[in-house]
Amino acid sequence: AQSVAQPEDQVNVAEGNPLTVKCTYSVSGNPYLFWYVQYPNRGLQFLLKYITGDNLVKGSYGFEAEFNKSQTSFHLKKPSALVSDSALYFCAVRDRDNYGQNFVFGPGTRLSVLP
Amino acid sequence: NAGVTQTPKFRILKIGQSMTLQCAQDMNHNYMYWYRQDPGMGLKLIYYSVGAGITDKGEVPNGYNVSRSTTEDFPLRLELAAPSQTSVYFCASSFLLAGGPVGNTDTQYFGPGTRLTVL
Repeated sequence: AQSVAQPEDQVNVAEGNPLTVKCTYSVSGNPYLFWYVQYPNRGLQFLLKYITGDNLVKGSYGFEAEFNKSQTSFHLKKPSALVSDSALYFCAVRDRDNYGQNFVFGPGTRLSVLP
Repeated sequence: NAGVTQTPKFRILKIGQSMTLQCAQDMNHNYMYWYRQDPGMGLKLIYYSVGAGITDKGEVPNGYNVSRSTTEDFPLRLELAAPSQTSVYFCASSFLLAGGPVGNTDTQYFGPGTRLTVL
């Protein structure tokens, strides 16, 4: 069965500092990984995804994520945080080798960027 | 191009009442999904559809029904509302090729959500 863990409920970082939001996953086959962001009272917005190829994926708003197969991780990073990055972040996984499987979302991590 | 739209934005129901949450997309996506979001629990898949006329259960289907008569619309029906169905409901859509996820396919696009309270 697929699963996603986001070990931190909350991440606090000062504006201008680098940020990391952690995600680990479990699938029986090869993973197809996503990051989404949710601002207050809004739906989820796509940030980036890993399908195959380069382990470092670049996405919207200066975010990037690194796929690490040995550690089954897909951590979200940004070199310099902005106050406007404060939101709820979700990691999601699909098993690429079991096409009928649907996405599984993590519980979310709330990012607060302090001015 | 409106993307994924949902109505209503808010609704309060009494126990035992019924209602339909509407979802529409104008991106010609073949896949559509309904999720519920409870605090601290992430998103749980209720039902999904791989195309018009085809629907299937997700992780938490009990108490809900869906239909997909057109590519664009995917309404979610609550027949006998219960307090446990108090949640925020999100509809999403994506486009998948028959051979599997390739390139920019399989990215889900979400609607703004419906906040439902059952009292």
